[in-house]
Amino acid sequence: GNSVTQMEGPVTLSEEAFLTINCTYTATGYPSLFWYVQYPGEGLQLLLKATKADDKGSNKGFEATYRKETTSFHLEKGSVQVSDSAVYFCALSETSGTYKYIFGTGTRLKVLA
Amino acid sequence: DAGVTQSPTHLIKTRGQQVTLRCSPKSGHDTVSWYQQALGQGPQFIFQYYEEEERQRGNFPDRFSGHQFPNYSSELNVNALLLGDSALYLCASSPQGYEQYFGPGTRLTVT
Repeated sequence: GNSVTQMEGPVTLSEEAFLTINCTYTATGYPSLFWYVQYPGEGLQLLLKATKADDKGSNKGFEATYRKETTSFHLEKGSVQVSDSAVYFCALSETSGTYKYIFGTGTRLKVLA
Repeated sequence: DAGVTQSPTHLIKTRGQQVTLRCSPKSGHDTVSWYQQALGQGPQFIFQYYEEEERQRGNFPDRFSGHQFPNYSSELNVNALLLGDSALYLCASSPQGYEQYFGPGTRLTVT
């Protein structure tokens, strides 16, 4: 079946450091891919998305490129801030039927001042 | 335009009780999906409703049931609550199952 694998956290970085959170997926067809962010005690916020191979999603300095050949969708940011501290979820949308979302287990990011 | 809304925000129940959670979809969306997010985990798909019918179900027992009303709003019911049902329950709406928009969630605590 379809699945999403994320690097385990927590990831601890100093402010202004470069961030990479790895995400790989297994899926039939060509799913859409997403990154969501969750702040403590809150729901999910869509951070960025990509709907086809080689698409780059970007938002608030975060970027991720849909790589079909490596089945990956790694999240990157050039310079993190303390306010980026949160849990990040990679997800895919199945390509037929209900288009249900399958999430990874999440990666906690902690940015130190 | 209001987004997806859920009620209540928080809920505390006792083992064995029953609970009903509610979701109002984003305007123009006719499909509602429910997800369970246990502490420290990613959300897991419970089921999806479209045209008042359950269209697909995840790996959850029959204690979890739902309903969709003609105005597309939805309810999630959980019977015979277990401690393990404590989680954040997320509702997501979409136009016929395409890109889903998530609500803020209902945090259920079972004691």
